[in-house]
Amino acid sequence: DAGVIQSPRHEVTEMGQEVTLRCKPISGHNSLFWYRQTMMRGLELLIYFNNNVPIDDSGMPEDRFSAKMPNASFSTLKIQPSEPRDSAVYFCASSSLQGAAYFGPGTRLTVT
Amino acid sequence: KQEVTQIPAALSVPEGENLVLNCSFTDSAIYNLQWFRQDPGKGLTSLLLIQSSQREQTSGRLNASLDKSSGRSTLYIAASQPGDSATYLCAVTMDSSYKLIFGSGTRLLVRP
Repeated sequence: DAGVIQSPRHEVTEMGQEVTLRCKPISGHNSLFWYRQTMMRGLELLIYFNNNVPIDDSGMPEDRFSAKMPNASFSTLKIQPSEPRDSAVYFCASSSLQGAAYFGPGTRLTVT
Repeated sequence: KQEVTQIPAALSVPEGENLVLNCSFTDSAIYNLQWFRQDPGKGLTSLLLIQSSQREQTSGRLNASLDKSSGRSTLYIAASQPGDSATYLCAVTMDSSYKLIFGSGTRLLVRP
């Protein structure tokens, strides 16, 4: 298995632009998570899907953030409009039924 | 609210030394605990998963123990190598959603 795949790996954009991050979870995993990592706040859970359904989005910082999972093999995290304080590394992770979490390589987002 | 603490924040040891990384959590009603490794600029790699009913897990030179009642876990690394240099993160889940609550990590440097 190729593991969790994320794209793009790096994204540089200007404030106010729309940003879309993409994730392909490990086949057969039924839970998908989006996390954000910053130096100041560490790793924070943004949203969690189970069987493609959003279960907990309490970590999504603002209405500017939205996430979708149209099928078991694809999820997106969208920021519109982006702001400099959104600069961070965004990780997607998926979990097996046994509970082990597997992370993608992350997308490093820089908003200028 | 669950809080996960890792001490020390940074550790530097000579090659060959056996070492212990510590993780503590405030709410002992965890579902499972997972140790991760993160190399600079990379994603998280799962090292060991301990279910709440287990006391320890081993993988190669790594051994993780769990004492739920005292809210503690340790990661033991035997015969450390320079390639072990990375940040080690501890995370707990509180239920079968497998949402991870992370500690801030221990940055390990193994000197040749």
